[in-house]
Amino acid sequence: QSVLTQPPSVSGAPGQRVTISCTGSSSNIGAGYDVHWYQQLPGTAPKLLIYGNSNRPSGVPDRFSGSKSGTSASLAISGLQAEDEADYYCQSYDSSLSGVFGTGTKVTVL
Amino acid sequence: QVTLKESGPVLVKPTETLTLTCTVSGFSLSNARMGVSWIRQPPGKALEWLAHIFSNDEKSYSTSLKSRLTISKDTSKSQVVLTMTNMDPVDTATYYCARIISKWLPPDYWGQGTLVTVSS
Repeated sequence: QSVLTQPPSVSGAPGQRVTISCTGSSSNIGAGYDVHWYQQLPGTAPKLLIYGNSNRPSGVPDRFSGSKSGTSASLAISGLQAEDEADYYCQSYDSSLSGVFGTGTKVTVL
Repeated sequence: QVTLKESGPVLVKPTETLTLTCTVSGFSLSNARMGVSWIRQPPGKALEWLAHIFSNDEKSYSTSLKSRLTISKDTSKSQVVLTMTNMDPVDTATYYCARIISKWLPPDYWGQGTLVTVSS
């Protein structure tokens, strides 16, 4: 069961900027837990894209950026490329000490 | 390099107990603050956190599945085991294990996942 809410899909033309929202509650994001983002290509395991709200692991292009405010967070992809077409998930923790994931967003490059 | 590999049955019957093993390499389960989580993904659906365990044996479970899950580790074998009781067809999913290097940080390295089908 997904506790964090994301839009089912977003799309954009190559070169455009798209954003994905992740809405939680006072028991998870709003409680101060960081938000992390994953990219999942078809048939593969998720790949960590953003950690600690806005930090990129080594090797992740700076086209990807994250932010957090209140009970929500967002992932932005600028200069959209065909290879960015994938599913994206946000993740945080909640007061039960368990991890929680978002509902997932499919990004389509037009 | 860091690797995780899931193993277990590909097919289980309803009401049976599922036992999955995650074998890790490239890091030690005894390293301070190190942990492993189990996450699943039904076909075409979202990721779902199941459980995690840390080097100090601290454990946490999904609130909705807590009564059915048990997580444990064998540091000497570099393995983390997840059992899920009373399996149902809705539990059909790809099950992943993933490394957590410290509490509250996200899983960074993931296994390739193993598809478990629940059917009679």
